[in-house]
Amino acid sequence: GNSVTQMEGPVTLSEEAFLTINCTYTATGYPSLFWYVQYPGEGLQLLLKATKADDKGSNKGFEATYRKETTSFHLEKGSVQVSDSAVYFCALLTGGFKTIFGAGTRLFVKA
Amino acid sequence: NAGVTQTPKFQVLKTGQSMTLQCAQDMNHEYMSWYRQDPGMGLRLIHYSVGAGITDQGEVPNGYNVSRSTTEDFPLRLLSAAPSQTSVYFCASRNYRDRGDEQYFGPGTRLTVT
Repeated sequence: GNSVTQMEGPVTLSEEAFLTINCTYTATGYPSLFWYVQYPGEGLQLLLKATKADDKGSNKGFEATYRKETTSFHLEKGSVQVSDSAVYFCALLTGGFKTIFGAGTRLFVKA
Repeated sequence: NAGVTQTPKFQVLKTGQSMTLQCAQDMNHEYMSWYRQDPGMGLRLIHYSVGAGITDQGEVPNGYNVSRSTTEDFPLRLLSAAPSQTSVYFCASRNYRDRGDEQYFGPGTRLTVT
């Protein structure tokens, strides 16, 4: 079946460090891939997405590239800020109705 | 445009009580869903709906009922609350036909069952 695996957290970084959160997926067909972010006490909101192979999604300095050959969609940011502290979810959507979420990775950024 | 709204924000129930979590969206989305979020387990789908009058089960439906009488509203009913249902509940909606469209989430309801 379809599934998403992302690296376990928490990830703790100093401000201005480079961030990578790994995400790999298993899916039939050609899924759309998403990164959602959840700030403390809030619901999830879309961070970025990619709908086909080799597409790069980007937003707020974050990037992720849809790699079909490695079934991956790793999230990166060149210089994190304290305000980036949140939980990040990788997700996929196939031709069905349901979005499949990873378990989430908590990021702490220290000043 | 309020997006997805949920009420209440917080609720404490005693074991065996019933209640309804309300969810509404004003984006005319066909697809709506309910998730629960537990520590270390990500989001798990409880029930979903692809339009008024159509609902189906997700991966953890036991103990919950839903109905969809209008496009806007998708309430979640807990029939007889149990401590295992202590969780944060999120309602979400999206445009059903475009698989590139993201889900829009409500702010969540934090439920404690004692």
